[in-house]
Amino acid sequence: KAGVTQTPRYLIKTRGQQVTLSCSPISGHRSVSWYQQTPGQGLQFLFEYFSETQRNKGNFPGRFSGRQFSNSRSEMNVSTLELGDSALYLCASSPLGRGGENEQFFGPGTRLTVL
Amino acid sequence: LAKTTQPISMDSYEGQEVNITCSHNNIATNDYITWYQQFPSQGPRFIIQGYKTKVTNEVASLFIPADRKSSTLSLPRVSLSDTAVYYCLVGVSGTGRRALTFGSGTRLQVQP
Repeated sequence: KAGVTQTPRYLIKTRGQQVTLSCSPISGHRSVSWYQQTPGQGLQFLFEYFSETQRNKGNFPGRFSGRQFSNSRSEMNVSTLELGDSALYLCASSPLGRGGENEQFFGPGTRLTVL
Repeated sequence: LAKTTQPISMDSYEGQEVNITCSHNNIATNDYITWYQQFPSQGPRFIIQGYKTKVTNEVASLFIPADRKSSTLSLPRVSLSDTAVYYCLVGVSGTGRRALTFGSGTRLQVQP
């Protein structure tokens, strides 16, 4: 079975731009969660989607948004990029939709650099 | 949000047992405790998960006391390949539930 895939792997943007990151979960997994990882803040939960519905959201501004499609693929969008948005963005999928209760499978991440 | 605290780093030698403790004082009734391992340039990888008492799998054990305000990941007989960052994750996702909270991570360095 293929693992979680994220595209692109690396991205460079400038302040004020917007960016869209993509995540394809493991086949059959219906839950997708997104995390931001930075050296200063560590791993922070962004949001979780299950069956195209956002079920939970972390403490991030409205510039961070996401969605999930009927095939469980997910995208996250960051608008009006700031320097502090530079981070590794990780996507994780889970088979049963309860990320804290079941094993999450992480992708390799998208490294976003904001200049 | 659940708050979690872990030691920043630990050192060990090959063949030793390593215990990493995570403090999660405001864990909620429904929260699970999960531990992940992360190598550089990779996403975290699941190690073990538990709700209470003790859980053991082929790679680790997880000890959770009765009050569930802390948990200890035990790695028996570590090897060089266990050098990584270890995170505890507390919470349970789902509609109306609290967000998942990762600890700050413990960097384990295993020496020969």
